[in-house]
Amino acid sequence: GNSVTQMEGPVTLSEEAFLTINCTYTATGYPSLFWYVQYPGEGLQLLLKATKADDKGSNKGFEATYRKETTSFHLEKGSVQVSDSAVYFCALSGRGANSKLTFGKGITLSVRP
Amino acid sequence: SAVISQKPSRDICQRGTSLTIQCQVDSQVTMMFWYRQQPGQSLTLIATANQGSEATYESGFVIDKFPISRPNLTFSTLTVSNMSPEDSSIYLCSARNQGGEQYFGPGTRLTVT
Repeated sequence: GNSVTQMEGPVTLSEEAFLTINCTYTATGYPSLFWYVQYPGEGLQLLLKATKADDKGSNKGFEATYRKETTSFHLEKGSVQVSDSAVYFCALSGRGANSKLTFGKGITLSVRP
Repeated sequence: SAVISQKPSRDICQRGTSLTIQCQVDSQVTMMFWYRQQPGQSLTLIATANQGSEATYESGFVIDKFPISRPNLTFSTLTVSNMSPEDSSIYLCSARNQGGEQYFGPGTRLTVT
């Protein structure tokens, strides 16, 4: 079955530091890949997505590239801000119309001023 | 994108009672889902809400405990029945559009005493 593995957290960074959050997956076929962000006390927001190999999703300074050869979708940002403090979830979805999202465990990012 | 609203945003309920959570999407979507999120945990899919027919439940969730309705394309309800403290959680409504993107509501924070 499908699965998503995220690096262990939490992660604490200073403002303007470089961020990498690792995500690898196991899936049959060619899934779509997503990063979601959950700010304190809120629901999940779709941050970015990629639907095929070598696609790069980007939003709000965050980027992730769909790497089929390494089955990875690592999230990166060149310079984090305090407002980026949140929980980040990597997820995948199969191609079928009735496919379901499979989530990783999530990782908490704290950015200190 | 789709904007999803949920009511209530939070509630404190007594053991043995039931609570119905409402979910409204601002545009027509193909699929709607209900998730549960324990504090500090990832999301667990409860069921897929099917328009005009019985919901499809995931393993470990049953209709008697979590009855779901979806009378039209943009509205769904989840009832948590005969509640116990173990049902204390955040319940999230989610919807997927034709582009395959899945969006989440802000969640309903339920505490059972």
